[in-house]
Amino acid sequence: GDSVTQMEGPVTLSEEAFLTINCTYTATGYPSLFWYVQYPGEGLQLLLKATKADDKGSNKGFEATYRKETTSFHLEKGSVQVSDSAVYFCALSGGSGNTGKLIFGQGTTLQVKP
Amino acid sequence: DTGVSQDPRHKITKRGQNVTFRCDPISEHNRLYWYRQTLGQGPEFLTYFQNEAQLEKSRLLSDRFSAERPKGSFSTLEIQRTEQGDSAMYLCASAKSGADNSPLHFGNGTRLTVT
Repeated sequence: GDSVTQMEGPVTLSEEAFLTINCTYTATGYPSLFWYVQYPGEGLQLLLKATKADDKGSNKGFEATYRKETTSFHLEKGSVQVSDSAVYFCALSGGSGNTGKLIFGQGTTLQVKP
Repeated sequence: DTGVSQDPRHKITKRGQNVTFRCDPISEHNRLYWYRQTLGQGPEFLTYFQNEAQLEKSRLLSDRFSAERPKGSFSTLEIQRTEQGDSAMYLCASAKSGADNSPLHFGNGTRLTVT
């Protein structure tokens, strides 16, 4: 079945460091790919998405490019802030069937220190 | 857009008791999903409704779990004879159906603790 694998956390960075969180997926069909973020004490929020190969999703300085050849959707940010500390989830939908349901990775905790 | 609302925020119950959670989706969203999230894990899909029809159920959804969406608006998730392993955050999400894979909007969840 469809699945998403993320790099293990926690990831600890100093403020202004470069961030990469790796995400790879397995899916039949042509899934859409998403990054969701969960800040402490809050619900899941959509961060960015890409719906087809080579699309780049971007938001709040974060970017991810849909790479079909490597089945990847790595999240990057050039300069992280303390306020970016959160849990980040990679997800896919539409791989098989079209219910719109999301299949999530296990999440990666990011801690940014001042 | 008032967002997805879930009630209660927290529920503590004793093993063997029944519990029911409510989800109010965004008003124009016809798709509704239930997920379960345990500590350190990503959300796991439980079930999906399009309007009032329950179209998909995960194998995670044992026969102690039942979900309804009687008028295609709010939904309830009931767990009968709760077990300690049911302790988790239960998340509800809603979306519009359409060709562009409309993103899911999540509520803040109901945290269940079974003692």
